Amino acid sequence: AQSVTQLDSQVPVFEEAPVELRCNYSSSVSVYLFWYVQYPNQGLQLLLKYLSGSTLVKGINGFEAEFNKSQTSFHLRKPSVHISDTAEYFCAVSGQGYGGSQGNLIFGKGTKLSVKP
Amino acid sequence: DADVTQTPRNRITKTGKRIMLECSQTKGHDRMYWYRQDPGLGLQLIYYSFDVKDINKGEISDGYSVSRQAQAKFSLSLESAIPNQTALYFCATSDFRNGYTFGSGTRLTVV
Repeated sequence: AQSVTQLDSQVPVFEEAPVELRCNYSSSVSVYLFWYVQYPNQGLQLLLKYLSGSTLVKGINGFEAEFNKSQTSFHLRKPSVHISDTAEYFCAVSGQGYGGSQGNLIFGKGTKLSVKP
Repeated sequence: DADVTQTPRNRITKTGKRIMLECSQTKGHDRMYWYRQDPGLGLQLIYYSFDVKDINKGEISDGYSVSRQAQAKFSLSLESAIPNQTALYFCATSDFRNGYTFGSGTRLTVV
């Protein structure tokens, strides 16, 4: 089974500052990793995903994440945030196995990013 | 049209009532899921289905049931709603490696 820990429940930051949202996972099998964003009163949108290959993954809206297998982490970063980035961000993991529940997506509890002017 | 459509978008119901939340998809995916979102808890898996004949319980299935009427349709029922089932409910589909596609959610309030 997999589990995900998002280390910060809230992250306040000023506009144009860099930000890092931290995510650690636990799994007994190889994993796929995802970051989703939820804007206020909206559904979930995929920001980026790691399936294999390069450990640095680039996503939409200028976000990127780095897969670190030894530290079992998948932290999300943006070099300069905007007011419009204010949202809740969810890290999620699934096992690479296709059968059974391994492929189910397990979510962290979310990090609320608040960008202040 | 949206890839994953949930109805209704909002619903207020009374304790003890039966309610059904519906989900349909045009992605052609075999896998469908129902999640519940509560503030501070993230999303928790209620039920998942790999095809019409394969339905499985998730982390928090108690008090819920589902029906997979077709590849494209997956309904969630609360047989006797209770206030702590007040939450935001999401349906999702998946082709496994490319992540999930989520519906816009159903906000359910049980009074």
